[in-house]
Amino acid sequence: DQQVKQNSPSLSVQEGRISILNCDYTNSMFDYFLWYKKYPAEGPTFLISISSIKDKNEDGRFTVFLNKSAKHLSLHIVPSQPGDSAVYFCAASIYSGNTGKLIFGQGTTLQVKP
Amino acid sequence: DSGVTQTPKHLITATGQRVTLRCSPRSGDLSVYWYQQSLDQGLQFLIQYYNGEERAKGNILERFSAQQFPDLHSELNLSSLELGDSALYFCASRAGTGLSTGELFFGEGSRLTVL
Repeated sequence: DQQVKQNSPSLSVQEGRISILNCDYTNSMFDYFLWYKKYPAEGPTFLISISSIKDKNEDGRFTVFLNKSAKHLSLHIVPSQPGDSAVYFCAASIYSGNTGKLIFGQGTTLQVKP
Repeated sequence: DSGVTQTPKHLITATGQRVTLRCSPRSGDLSVYWYQQSLDQGLQFLIQYYNGEERAKGNILERFSAQQFPDLHSELNLSSLELGDSALYFCASRAGTGLSTGELFFGEGSRLTVL
C-alpha cells in the first residue's frame, strides 16, 4: 500500500524555468510533509517542509504548496538551476506521533538543462 | 556531510550469506532509522530505534534484524540473503523520537549486491 505517491518518475526543464514536482498521499492522518533531495552516491538531504496547518511554505527558490482537500502537495523551484538536477523525494508523517517515521514516495528525477 | 556514518559503502556477497551493516548516528542523536531503497523504488522504512530500544517497525523481513548499542551506534543484520535483497540501505538519525525534534539526517548508504 503506497501511501505516498510520486507519479512522475522524471522531469526535464530548461534552466531558468519553473520546475514543479508533484506528490499525492492517501492517509488523511498525515499532517507534516517534507521534501528531500538526493544526489548520486549521497544520502537524501532535507530541503523544505510544511505543516498541514499551512498551505504554503517558501524558502528561497523553493516553495511547497499543500492542498489538503485533494491530498496533494507540490514543490516549485524557481528559477531552476543545473545544480538542482537530482532525485526529489516527497515524505509524509504524523507530526505528533512518537516515532517520527517518514513515509517516502518513489522519487522524481529532475534534470535541469543549461 | 550529514554527520551520519555508514559502513561499508559497498558490499558484494552471495545468496544465502549473512551481512552486517553499521551506522554511527550524529553526535547526540538518540534515534536511528533504517531505510531500504531498491531499484526504482522509494525509501522503504525498515525499523527505528531510540536510545537502545526498538520504537517502530516497518516492512522489515524476518530474515533482517537490527539493534542499537549503548554507544548509540546501530547495526542492521541481513541473513539468508536473496537476490532481491540487493539494494541501498540508508541509516538516518535525529535527536529525539518525534518530528518535533527535527528532520532526519541520512548517511550516504551501504550498497549491497547479492549475486
